Amino acid sequence: DSGVTQTPKHLITATGQRVTLRCSPRSGDLSVYWYQQSLDQGLQFLIQYYNGEERAKGNILERFSAQQFPDLHSELNLSSLELGDSALYFCASSPRVQGFAGYTFGSGTRLTVV
Amino acid sequence: GENVEQHPSTLSVQEGDSAVIKCTYSDSASNYFPWYKQELGKRPQLIIDIRSNVGEKKDQRIAVTLNKTAKHFSLHITETQPEDSAVYFCAGTDSWGKFQFGAGTQVVVTP
Repeated sequence: DSGVTQTPKHLITATGQRVTLRCSPRSGDLSVYWYQQSLDQGLQFLIQYYNGEERAKGNILERFSAQQFPDLHSELNLSSLELGDSALYFCASSPRVQGFAGYTFGSGTRLTVV
Repeated sequence: GENVEQHPSTLSVQEGDSAVIKCTYSDSASNYFPWYKQELGKRPQLIIDIRSNVGEKKDQRIAVTLNKTAKHFSLHITETQPEDSAVYFCAGTDSWGKFQFGAGTQVVVTP
């Protein structure tokens, strides 16, 4: 157990639907990062939050949005889902915004859009 | 922003041989370089990291070297074992401290 909790582990939904992925960071970590990993692809950065505020944005589609709550958990909302959104979505956390701190990844949510 | 290139994309080695993965980065301000190992269907896990003020770091069979002048760093795995088969990702930090990952290297260790 890495200490980063992601729910649900698996999600199957239809095109056009909306889903919410949840992430609880490791205790004491203030930064949360969301990554998308499609089949046989690398880790595509989506968005970063630090202590409740959006810090950086990557290749995140307008149909996707995220937030970090006061208790530091984060949610990634995916709407108007398309087949191409099927992927593993990882959340990672780190203690701070910058510095020599590696990310700790959660186990991921596998999203399948049918 | 930071751009990290990783080579090769696939690496097949005989058990017991060494494996080397190379990454280059673009942002000279990048100061921390972690390596992650991802087994099939699992989360990436940090296996080793190096700071910009260090040229080399070892941890048992794995080592990382950093050449700041040339802006490249490498992962070395010696005496490879079947359990080393996985995808390995390098990363560099951008000016915000966010990681930019390389595209990954699929390492296959054959008995």
